[in-house]
Amino acid sequence: AQSVTQLDSQVPVFEEAPVELRCNYSSSVSVYLFWYVQYPNQGLQLLLKYLSGSTLVESINGFEAEFNKSQTSFHLRKPSVHISDTAEYFCAVSAGNMLTFGGGTRLMVKP
Amino acid sequence: DTGVSQDPRHKITKRGQNVTFRCDPISEHNRLYWYRQTLGQGPEFLTYFQNEAQLEKSRLLSDRFSAERPKGSFSTLEIQRTEQGDSAMYLCASSLGGNTIYFGEGSWLTVV
Repeated sequence: AQSVTQLDSQVPVFEEAPVELRCNYSSSVSVYLFWYVQYPNQGLQLLLKYLSGSTLVESINGFEAEFNKSQTSFHLRKPSVHISDTAEYFCAVSAGNMLTFGGGTRLMVKP
Repeated sequence: DTGVSQDPRHKITKRGQNVTFRCDPISEHNRLYWYRQTLGQGPEFLTYFQNEAQLEKSRLLSDRFSAERPKGSFSTLEIQRTEQGDSAMYLCASSLGGNTIYFGEGSWLTVV
């Protein structure tokens, strides 16, 4: 079985500041790792994923995440956030059949 | 290319009534998943299908819940004798083979 811990339930940050959303996971087998974003009253949108290969993965809107196997982490970062990045972010792991999600981190970008 | 489609998007029902949600996955995706999300929480796995076969069910899926995918395409999730604790967003998702899972917009259920 897998589990995911998102250490911060809320992260307030000023516009154009950098941000890191933390994610740690636990699994006895190799996993795939994902970040999803959820805007109010909407479903989940895939932000980025790690399946294999380079441990640093990037999204088209400036987010990146790095898979660290020794620390069992997959933290999400962005060097400069925008107001439009305000949303709930979910880290998830999969061993190939289904996703297990963390509790989510609410990113609140302030002007 | 259309994404995962869910219907209805919102449903308000009285306690004790039955409700049914429909999900149309991305075309040619062989796997279909149902998740439940309550306010302030991450989505929780309910069940998934590979083609028409229901391969796994969570213990969250009580006997009042039933899901079907009769022809390996669309799926329905029925909740019988709804309770207030069933109020949540029900998310459908699909994938081709299981590596990357794409979600629909969700169906909100409010039980009054």
